[in-house]
Amino acid sequence: AQKVTQAQTEISVVEKEDVTLDCVYETRDTTYYLFWYKQPPSGELVFLIRRNSFDEQNEISGRYSWNFQKSTSSFNFTITASQVVDSAVYFCALSEPNDYKLSFGAGTTVTVRA
Amino acid sequence: NAGVTQTPKFQVLKTGQSMTLQCAQDMNHEYMSWYRQDPGMGLRLIHYSVGAGITDQGEVPNGYNVSRSTTEDFPLRLLSAAPSQTSVYFCASTYRRGTEAFFGQGTRLTVV
Repeated sequence: AQKVTQAQTEISVVEKEDVTLDCVYETRDTTYYLFWYKQPPSGELVFLIRRNSFDEQNEISGRYSWNFQKSTSSFNFTITASQVVDSAVYFCALSEPNDYKLSFGAGTTVTVRA
Repeated sequence: NAGVTQTPKFQVLKTGQSMTLQCAQDMNHEYMSWYRQDPGMGLRLIHYSVGAGITDQGEVPNGYNVSRSTTEDFPLRLLSAAPSQTSVYFCASTYRRGTEAFFGQGTRLTVV
């Protein structure tokens, strides 16, 4: 069963628009960890954020913000005032406490047009 | 800081050939893993290791072998390459459960 669902396959926006990426996860554990990674066109995977299940505070880092809602099992990611450099594939991932591995969503490709 | 180093970056193989993808990390992480990335499927775990001498299968292990003789190195062997193994391969290391994984630069493998 898919543990992490990123329903949006591709999103295209014009520069300066906001874009929100959805991530819905599934786990039976009460302790778990959620992550977002960015994969720019160069191909490497860049870690963006880690959140544990006991910390439901929203987080903001510059133009990036994350909204974690346990009630809906969602960990959404918003890019405010998007820029061309934000064009990338974004992955949401889940890690459960007895496991080191990451379960990834299928990824959302974001294209920001100038 | 080297982090996780993967070689080669690109490789073309003929069906039936074997090869080894190299992965090394210098962060003294116990946990290392190999993923493959295919369009529309995210990253899927092939094999992983929780320490030297210990390896286990992930989600898609068929056709691949691993070994972990040292903490630093975790090579992935393709025994007899098939076109279905055309993919981008990532090696990763993790400090402890629940922390972020550090990824190598990836290897783009094409099997013809």
